Amino acid sequence: DIQMTQSPSSVSASVGDRVTITCRANEDIGRWLAWYQQKPGKAPKLLIWGASNLQGGVPSKFSGSGSGTQFTLTISSLQPDDFASYYCQQTDNFPWTFGQGTKVELK
Amino acid sequence: EVKLVQSGAEVKKPGESLKISCKGSGQEFPNYWIGWVRQMPGKGLEWMGIIYPGDSDTTYNPSFQGQVTISADKSIGTSYLQWSSLEASDTALYYCVTFYRAGQSVPGAFDVWGQGTVVTVSS
Repeated sequence: DIQMTQSPSSVSASVGDRVTITCRANEDIGRWLAWYQQKPGKAPKLLIWGASNLQGGVPSKFSGSGSGTQFTLTISSLQPDDFASYYCQQTDNFPWTFGQGTKVELK
Repeated sequence: EVKLVQSGAEVKKPGESLKISCKGSGQEFPNYWIGWVRQMPGKGLEWMGIIYPGDSDTTYNPSFQGQVTISADKSIGTSYLQWSSLEASDTALYYCVTFYRAGQSVPGAFDVWGQGTVVTVSS
């Protein structure tokens, strides 16, 4: 199985901060990577697909980059609605796997 | 865009069987890959498997193979996740999702999520 490792596991940030989350795969997955946001008690929501493509309706303050084994999700100018957990996922090879998640908390 | 509506919360005893459902709206349901994702209490997301309702082609995560059965009835736009003998460790929130990609060589992702079904297994 492809292992996806996110860092950090949690981050404390303030409104207006820029936050970057890293996701590493233990083998090359090309650009077959997606990012999801999950708020407490809610289903996850797709933010980014294909490593850097913004899903329709997702604000442009979210951006993704990377390819191969290292990827990043950046949230520019954090707003109260952005405090949530974020997960990366590879869909390059079965079984598809998720990172363990990164919780973005209010400082 | 298809919308997914899942069946309600279940409370079961160990050893019991269970089948939960995920109904998709829209006529395009048979043409979407439908996946299932587990989230154990306080934990992350785990992909369980995926099915193409059009022909019931199914792929399982080996971690779940033999533990659950994923099926679909394209005539009523519904996918199912079932257990023949539940264990306490099956207690979790289960999501159905659609897997979308624009083309064979285009990365796909889970673009639509159901609201989730909570399954509690306790004696």
